[in-house]
Amino acid sequence: QVQLVESGGGVVQPGRSLRLSCTASGFRFSTYAMHWVRQAPVKGLEWVAVISFDGSIKYHADSVKGRFTIARDNSQNTLFLQMNSLRIEDTAVYFCARGTPSGGGYYFDYWGQGALVTVSS
Amino acid sequence: EIVLTQSPGTLSLSPGERATLSCRASQSVDNNYLGWYQQKPGQAPRLLMHGASFRATGTPDRFSGSGSGTDFTLTISRLEPEDFAVYYCQQYSSSPEWTFGQGTKVEIK
Repeated sequence: QVQLVESGGGVVQPGRSLRLSCTASGFRFSTYAMHWVRQAPVKGLEWVAVISFDGSIKYHADSVKGRFTIARDNSQNTLFLQMNSLRIEDTAVYFCARGTPSGGGYYFDYWGQGALVTVSS
Repeated sequence: EIVLTQSPGTLSLSPGERATLSCRASQSVDNNYLGWYQQKPGQAPRLLMHGASFRATGTPDRFSGSGSGTDFTLTISRLEPEDFAVYYCQQYSSSPEWTFGQGTKVEIK
């Protein structure tokens, strides 16, 4: 069965960095685009970033552009999110999600359990 | 960016009742590229519907989706105890800024 397991969350001071990982199993990771979606405390869902199946195409939300970078290692079935210059408003649960293509976009058919990132001084 | 507005914010109903959730887009969602997700406390969202009206694998048939253009609806024909949760709509017609609604909470009356 499809499994996505995030790791790397924690408490970090504003301005510092953190890297999240998401290990995939149960499907051919190298053939799917992958996404990060976050959810601030008691808030809704916000799409963060997408990476194509081969890593050649990446998009980031305006709110994280220039600070966060999505990456993947298909040999290790792992997705990453490098988060630099963290801000208090980046505090959220970060989910990795598999994207199923439809038209020019994606819906998210499988999700990890989430990794909590808390940015606090 | 397409903004999705869900209503009502909270729906208070009893098991066995019908739930009707609305998702309105600030501009047309091409080809009905709209999904619905269910989220329970402490859990990840779960895909229920895609393409506005197509059930995802494992979605019970008491869930149905409809709509087009800017107005979409998720209907739960008879609420089961496990259906009390928060529901989000998501559009994927406007790439790459895929957006979600703010959610509708279905709570037990």
